Parts: sequence; structure tokens; C-alpha cells
Amino acid sequence: DAGITQSPRHKVTETGTPVTLRCHQTENHRYMYWYRQDPGHGLRLIHYSYGVKDTDKGEVSDGYSVSRSKTEDFLLTLESATSSQTSVYFCAISESRENSPLHFGNGTRLTVT
Amino acid sequence: RKEVEQDPGPFNVPEGATVAFNCTYSNSASQSFFWYRQDCRKEPKLLMSVYSSGNEDGRFTAQLNRASQYISLLIRDSKLSDSATYLCVVTPYTASKLTFGTGTRLQVTL
Repeated sequence: DAGITQSPRHKVTETGTPVTLRCHQTENHRYMYWYRQDPGHGLRLIHYSYGVKDTDKGEVSDGYSVSRSKTEDFLLTLESATSSQTSVYFCAISESRENSPLHFGNGTRLTVT
Repeated sequence: RKEVEQDPGPFNVPEGATVAFNCTYSNSASQSFFWYRQDCRKEPKLLMSVYSSGNEDGRFTAQLNRASQYISLLIRDSKLSDSATYLCVVTPYTASKLTFGTGTRLQVTL
């Protein structure tokens, strides 16, 4: 299995609080991604990174920001959590941009009350 | 129309049965195709890539039909351990544009 670790695994937070999720990889892959998974929607891309300090938005980026200061770490921040951000968040990595499959971390289950 | 569509199932099949899932996609520029497997409350895991000529991995066969814009996954001799949700994934040319289907749930029973 690809070396991808997400933390925390579970988190419950209150509306309006900031939350940071961490993804750590040991594969030295250039590309990293944050997805959320919700019933009926499948996996949707939030943000992705194609290198240190290089990030771009996905299809559901509103309310989220990311940072990548090191190859191995990709942080997802919810500046002010809302109940609509209750979801399961998956980090993924890929070796290259074109035609490469993704390998996922084991997910963070976030509940915003 | 959704970019990627899958029958949500569930498909309930007895052990040993053969089952097939289809996944249709709307973007004719799609270049890469994958099947992932996701167990309940777990992360998706790559099952197999789908090649133009079709490909097989043990009991699993994946096929691509570009003319009709669908991919298929055939599972022969189903095992209880095959019970999971199967996600199809389609991308035009870049991993940042991967589109996931919502998945087809398979339940294999004794």
C-alpha cells in the first residue's frame, strides 16, 4: 500500500471553528489531492497540488484552503467550518499528472455540529 | 447528464456467480479509465486500469467501448470478499480532472 497517512482520523467540531486536516506521504510523489466524499455525489476534488507551494482549485474549493510547504505534507484547512462540510475527506497522491491512477489515504471523518 | 454514471445497485449475487457492471461517460475526450474498489468506511483502492484492448486480472475483466462511451467490469466466480462498492473513474488527460462515478454496490451471498 502507498505510504499515505491522514490525521486526524475522526474529528467533531463546532460551526465557525477552524479545522486543519493533514496528509503525509512517504512516496515522494509530486501530486497530491484532497477529495470529499458524500452520499450521492461520489468523490469530488477540493484542491490539488503539483509541487511544493504549487496548488490549484478543484470543483468544490469554496470554504477550503490548502498549503504544501514540503513534498510530503499537504494540509487542508476549513477556515470557518460549516455543517455542509460534514463529510469524509480523502487525501490522494499520484506519480504523474497524466493518466496516473490515484492512491488514497484512509480518510478523515469530519462532523461539524 | 452526469459526466460519469453508474447503476448504484445493489447487485445481490450468490457466490460463484458472474456479475458485470457498466459505467457510462459523457466526455468523448476521455483518455484514461480505472476501476476502484471501496469497502464500507474505507478508502478507495485501485482495482485495475482499463485499456483500449481490454484487460484481465485473474477473475476480473475490464473493457472499454469508446464508440458507446462506456467501460465495463466483469467479475467471474464471485467470492464473499468481492462484496464492496465499485467506482469507475474517467479522466480526459490529467489526474486533476478525474471524475468519479458514485459507485455500484455488490453484495455476494452464500
